[in-house]
Amino acid sequence: EVQVVQSGAEVKKPGESLKISCKGSGYSFTNYWIGWVRQMPGKGLEWMGIIYPGDSDTRYSPSFRGQVTISADKSISTAYLQWSSLKASDTAMYYCVRLLGYCSGVSCTGYFDYWGQGTQVTVSS
Amino acid sequence: EIVLTQSPGTLSLSPGERATLSCRASQSVSSNYLAWYQQKPGQAPRLLIYGASSRATGIPDRFSGSGSGTDFTLTVSRLEPEDFALYYCQQYGSSPQTFGQGTKLEIK
Repeated sequence: EVQVVQSGAEVKKPGESLKISCKGSGYSFTNYWIGWVRQMPGKGLEWMGIIYPGDSDTRYSPSFRGQVTISADKSISTAYLQWSSLKASDTAMYYCVRLLGYCSGVSCTGYFDYWGQGTQVTVSS
Repeated sequence: EIVLTQSPGTLSLSPGERATLSCRASQSVSSNYLAWYQQKPGQAPRLLIYGASSRATGIPDRFSGSGSGTDFTLTVSRLEPEDFALYYCQQYGSSPQTFGQGTKLEIK
């Protein structure tokens, strides 16, 4: 059974750093792109970026490039989303997603067939 | 980037009725690469439809998708109590992939 399991909720102060995680199981972790989707309070879904754990090839949505870092450790089938300096506006639910598709050049195509349970990140002074 | 506009914002229906949700794109969606997701309160979204009309694994056949180009529709033929939720469309034919703002399907 395919599963995508995320780390737990986080409460941080502005300016702090954070790294949240997502572990894939039940499938070949290195052969699928895995990414992150943001949902701000009461709002819709925003695709942030994606990584291919097999070779760590990474793509970012223009809105999120430079704001976050996506990485993966294929030895433990885990992907990460990282901030170096959090802002209050980073308060949101973050979902880890598996992409059924591919990336070529700067473009990615595919839909998200498995979703993690979400990690709530709250940034408040 | 492609902007997806979903309508209506809220749809109020009764169990047993038919629901029709619309997703309109600001430009043609390549290869009809459009997906629909369902999100219930406190839960992650779930894939319903991909490729505009293909049902994902385990999705009941009362859910169907149709459309092409810029106009797409999700239809729920006979609403069950568990179908009342938020629905999002997503285009994945052009980068960056984008989502609609959602349609809330509520019990009348």
